[in-house]
Amino acid sequence: GAVVSQHPSWVICKSGTSVKIECRSLDFQATTMFWYRQFPKQSLMLMATSNEGSKATYEQGVEKDKFLINHASLTLSTLTVTSAHPEDSSFYICSARGGGSYEQYFGPGTRLTVT
Amino acid sequence: AQSVTQPDIHITVSEGASLELRCNYSYGATPYLFWYVQSPGQGLQLLLKYFSGDTLVQGIKGFEAEFKRSQSSFNLRKPSVHWSDAAEYFCAVGAIEAGTALIFGKGTTLSVSS
Repeated sequence: GAVVSQHPSWVICKSGTSVKIECRSLDFQATTMFWYRQFPKQSLMLMATSNEGSKATYEQGVEKDKFLINHASLTLSTLTVTSAHPEDSSFYICSARGGGSYEQYFGPGTRLTVT
Repeated sequence: AQSVTQPDIHITVSEGASLELRCNYSYGATPYLFWYVQSPGQGLQLLLKYFSGDTLVQGIKGFEAEFKRSQSSFNLRKPSVHWSDAAEYFCAVGAIEAGTALIFGKGTTLSVSS
């Protein structure tokens, strides 16, 4: 089946630093990738949609200069949280769609803690 | 506006009892519907999905869901709950268009009592 990986699975960083999260589709070409954020005991909120080779489309209220998304290849998208602050601490989940399927395949998530 | 409503924030069911989790959606296009389960600190696991055809769909772990277009509902059911079913359950709706993300409900927390 279609597998999506994320790296790292958890990361702790200091306030003011940047952190990069990778999302990879392991066995299919992901024409579209999505980034979600999930705060504790809350639902998944879409942050942005990215298509390979194009600029990401951000949801209202998501700062594009803070959450940099790059989808440079059909198997890799990255989310960089720049100048992270404690309020950015969250569970970040990516999903990918492609390979002729209507379905989205979710990664296992990355737990970000900003101290 | 497109949305997914899960009316029950928290449900407690006795082990062995039946379960029904409610999901209602509002979506402009033909909806594709999903149920996911999430254990604490973990990612999402797909339980089942509905794209078209038979409105009663079977999923993993003994779950099933019924799509009722007239009621805009996609309720999840299980005839006999196991303690390991305790988790967070999310209903989601999407569309066929490739660039369309899923819209998630707020989730229902299932607790199982012995």
